[in-house]
Amino acid sequence: EAEVAQSPRYKITEKSQAVAFWCDPISGHATLYWYRQILGQGPELLVQFQDESVVDDSQLPKDRFSAERLKGVDSTLKIQPAELGDSAMYLCASSHIDRQETQYFGPGTRLLVL
Amino acid sequence: AQSVTQPDIHITVSEGASLELRCNYSYGATPYLFWYVQSPGQGLQLLLKYFSGDTLVQGIKGFEAEFKRSQSSFNLRKPSVHWSDAAEYFCAVGPYGAAGNKLTFGGGTRVLVKP
Repeated sequence: EAEVAQSPRYKITEKSQAVAFWCDPISGHATLYWYRQILGQGPELLVQFQDESVVDDSQLPKDRFSAERLKGVDSTLKIQPAELGDSAMYLCASSHIDRQETQYFGPGTRLLVL
Repeated sequence: AQSVTQPDIHITVSEGASLELRCNYSYGATPYLFWYVQSPGQGLQLLLKYFSGDTLVQGIKGFEAEFKRSQSSFNLRKPSVHWSDAAEYFCAVGPYGAAGNKLTFGGGTRVLVKP
């Protein structure tokens, strides 16, 4: 069964450093989502792509976060500089163009900022 | 704005007993409704979803959920829990028929299973 891939699974960094997370969606899924999940809470959408275009980045802290999906396949989420409050699980999800209501999630990247 | 409330933060249940997790949503139109499960340190796995039709939906791992429009609820149930059901469960709502579905999640319910 096809899955969403994410790396790294865990990342520890110091505040003010730059970090990057990578996501490879299920093959053929045009829509890609990045979520942030703070410990003890549900995921919150950061950014949504349709192919290589950003559809919704209203909740992305654009002063320090950036996301790209240059070729409309895999995607990178970057934080620069990282702050203590960025410690969270970062989840990537994807959905098929014909069934966009159903999202499939990757295993996530657990970020700890010291 | 859409919102999802899961009133129970933690639930402890004995193995073999029944389980019901509550979910209430607020949405201005007909929603898509989902239940996801998350094991510790893992991503979210889709248990079941409701779009339309029969209000009782069956999912994986023996779970089912019932949509009650009058109560704005979508509660998840399992007749007999197994130790492997210990996890966190999230209810989510999305806009019906909209492209690029933005999901809004509840805060989650952590389920502990006693032997």
